[in-house]
Formats: sequence, C-alpha cells, structure tokens
Amino acid sequence: DAMVIQNPRYQVTQFGKPVTLSCSQTLNHNVMYWYQQKSSQAPKLLFHYYDKDFNNEADTPDNFQSRRPNTSFCFLDIRSPGLGDAAMYLCATSPRTSDTDTQYFGPGTRLTVL
Amino acid sequence: GQNIDQPTEMTATEGAIVQINCTYQTSGFNGLFWYQQHAGEAPTFLSYNVLDGLEEKGRFSSFLSRSKGYSYLLLKELQMKDSASYLCAAMDSNYQLIWGAGTKLIIKP
Repeated sequence: DAMVIQNPRYQVTQFGKPVTLSCSQTLNHNVMYWYQQKSSQAPKLLFHYYDKDFNNEADTPDNFQSRRPNTSFCFLDIRSPGLGDAAMYLCATSPRTSDTDTQYFGPGTRLTVL
Repeated sequence: GQNIDQPTEMTATEGAIVQINCTYQTSGFNGLFWYQQHAGEAPTFLSYNVLDGLEEKGRFSSFLSRSKGYSYLLLKELQMKDSASYLCAAMDSNYQLIWGAGTKLIIKP
C-alpha cells in the first residue's frame, strides 16, 4: 500500500543533544511537509519541499533544519533541542496537482526532551 | 489575517447526529479540508470541498458556503470510535493549509 512512513515513532533525547527524524513516502508526491503539533493545538507548519525547492516558514526557529535527498525521503534535524521542542512531529505529502492538493500524514514521531 | 474558528469541544450521544461548524478567513481559497485525529495519532483525511454544497461519504458529510466562509462536518449514527478531534483546514492561494485548533468530540453511550 502507498503510504507515508515516519521513524522512529517515539524519540527521547536530552536537552541540547541533536536529533534527526525521518520520513519516507511511496506515494511519489511532489511536496513533503514537516509540522510540529503540541497537545490540543493546530499543527504548525515548519517547512516544506516542493520537489527540491525548500520553503521555510518565517517563524520557524533556526534550530530546525531539513533535508530532502530524493523524492522519497525527507529529514528533520533539531540541532539543539530544548524542553519547548517536545511535541509530535508530523510529516505529510501532497501531489500538488491542479485538481486537488490533499495532504496525507505519516503516523508522527513523538519527541520527548529530558 | 488568516484565521480558522471552530468550537473547542462538543459532546454527543452514541447513535445521534452531530454537526461541527467551522468559519474561515484566508488570502485566496483553494478548498476546505476536514481531518480526524485520534488522541496521540496523526490526522487522517476525511473530506475536501471546493465548490458550494454538500459532499456525502457514508456516515460523514461536509458542507461548504464560500460566500459565507463557512463549512460544517456532519456525522450521523455516531459510534464510540468517532470520539476524536476534528480539524478544519482551509487552503489559501499559496496552497498552504490554515489549520483550526480542532474540535474535540466526546461520544457518550
């Protein structure tokens, strides 16, 4: 089945210790997104790739970086996690066709910062 | 500015019908999405409306009025498994989704 996969599902890191979250897709979608979601809040877009074009949201901290080495994979790097970065991190993809641009989500990675 | 409003929480009874409302303001408009999100899980896509009117998908229906900046999600024959948050999101002219904070739906037996 075509899908969006995120690894790991749960990640524990220490304050200030770099961490990388990964996302892969078998949908062959052009666009990949990274969202941060805290409890009872809306997902917050961090950045997205349209093919190889990187689009950073204006209020995304420099502490968050992303890489998309190919169509299928996208990574979220948190260089120095703080306690406030504990959240669910959601990867999504969309086809960006002229008809519709529905976003499909992976299962998410729950990040705990100790 | 861009904004989505939806109620924070609603309660309904198993077997009943519930309507979750959403109003939106966006820079341009490329459609209105509804997602379901169970606690601790990722959002799953429910529906997409870009034209005025009602779209029906089994027990779930979604309505859009572009002139009023208004949508609703209608859930019929409620089941306990429908207990979840329902997120309304409007797509702006840059294909960005503007998200509401979600409506937590509590189903009672």
